[in-house]
Amino acid sequence: NAGVTQTPKFQVLKTGQSMTLQCAQDMNHNSMYWYRQDPGMGLRLIYYSASEGTTDKGEVPNGYNVSRLNKREFSLRLESAAPSQTSVYFCASRSVYEQYFGPGTRLTVT
Amino acid sequence: TQLLEQSPQFLSIQEGENLTVYCNSSSVFSSLQWYRQEPGEGPVLLVTVVTGGEVKKLKRLTFQFGDARKDSSLHITAAQPGDTGLYLCAGEEAGGTSYGKLTFGQGTILTVHP
Repeated sequence: NAGVTQTPKFQVLKTGQSMTLQCAQDMNHNSMYWYRQDPGMGLRLIYYSASEGTTDKGEVPNGYNVSRLNKREFSLRLESAAPSQTSVYFCASRSVYEQYFGPGTRLTVT
Repeated sequence: TQLLEQSPQFLSIQEGENLTVYCNSSSVFSSLQWYRQEPGEGPVLLVTVVTGGEVKKLKRLTFQFGDARKDSSLHITAAQPGDTGLYLCAGEEAGGTSYGKLTFGQGTILTVHP
């Protein structure tokens, strides 16, 4: 049982480049989330999707876009990367009282 | 935006000592969750508390939810080196269509020395 998978695990971008972070879950969960984690700041919600076909902004959505491709997949896109987006990105899906997190993508923007 | 203040940010103790981590907010949460995170991995849920005043025990870990559902604590008895890690509290917004949106505390980095 894979749970929540994320690709890539590491990525280095130059300022202005674009990329898409991929996330998939095999637990048939309706809700999925994208967070970023920075030292001393816990996890902050970027975007979430309550169900297939819907997406909403979280606490820090600027500079990001998302796509809920189907029930399994929820991608995060950086159109024009900035050094302030250097972070570790986590995808999660939710059952009743628990969020299951992927292993994370460590992104560095130079 | 709901805020969750977690303290202390760092904790370095000797094996066998007890410790408590606190999460405080001025907002009411429908539930509060505690996660543990290892380096290079995503957070893993330890416990969810739902009812005001609720106390849950997980071996040497005791979790408490405040009566007003605004604060929580994690107490570890006789800490062991295997307890070393990042501990995160997270509150789920009360009411409305929150769809499980969580507000995380800043995290507590716990190091237990043998």
